[in-house]
Amino acid sequence: EPEVTQTPSHQVTQMGQEVILRCVPISNHLYFYWYRQILGQKVEFLVSFYNNEISEKSEIFDDQFSVERPDGSNFTLKIRSTKLEDSAMYFCATNTNTGELFFGEGSRLTVL
Amino acid sequence: QKEVEQNSGPLSVPEGAIASLNCTYSDRGSQSFFWYRQYSGKSPELIMSIYSNGDKEDGRFTAQLNKASQYVSLLIRDSQPSDSATYLCALYGGSQGNLIFGKGTKLSVKP
Repeated sequence: EPEVTQTPSHQVTQMGQEVILRCVPISNHLYFYWYRQILGQKVEFLVSFYNNEISEKSEIFDDQFSVERPDGSNFTLKIRSTKLEDSAMYFCATNTNTGELFFGEGSRLTVL
Repeated sequence: QKEVEQNSGPLSVPEGAIASLNCTYSDRGSQSFFWYRQYSGKSPELIMSIYSNGDKEDGRFTAQLNKASQYVSLLIRDSQPSDSATYLCALYGGSQGNLIFGKGTKLSVKP
């Protein structure tokens, strides 16, 4: 069964450092998303990406965040200067043009 | 601001019983609703989607939607210990794929 693959599974970083989280979408999927879940909190939408550009973003997705698909396969989320409150599980999700989102297993980010 | 409310639980049911999970939402214009299951430390997994008033059945799962009351529910028949997880209600926040999740209801099925 095709799946969304995320790396790394866990990253520990110092406050102020840059972090890049990577996602390999399911091959025929065209829509890509990042969500985050702070421990014990709701799953929150960050950004959607289609046709090599952002189609929608939430208030959480401020100037510290960026997304790109540099090589046609990986879909990345970059956090430029991490803050303590960025500690969370980050989920990549993809789909075709139907409603079902396929989530990756997540990347746990710990900011010290 | 669209909101999705769920009782956080935990909801404890004995094995074989029916588990009933409920969700209310704030935006009367919402059209599409989803139930996801999330095991501890894992990613959300879609169980059911429902778009029309009434019931939708898939195996042991039945989703119920009442748009007039702004209420969505999920029934799990013949609950199994493997059903123990957090169940997330979600709806579209903006475009397709932008989901607003509730905080989830933790279900515990006791053998």
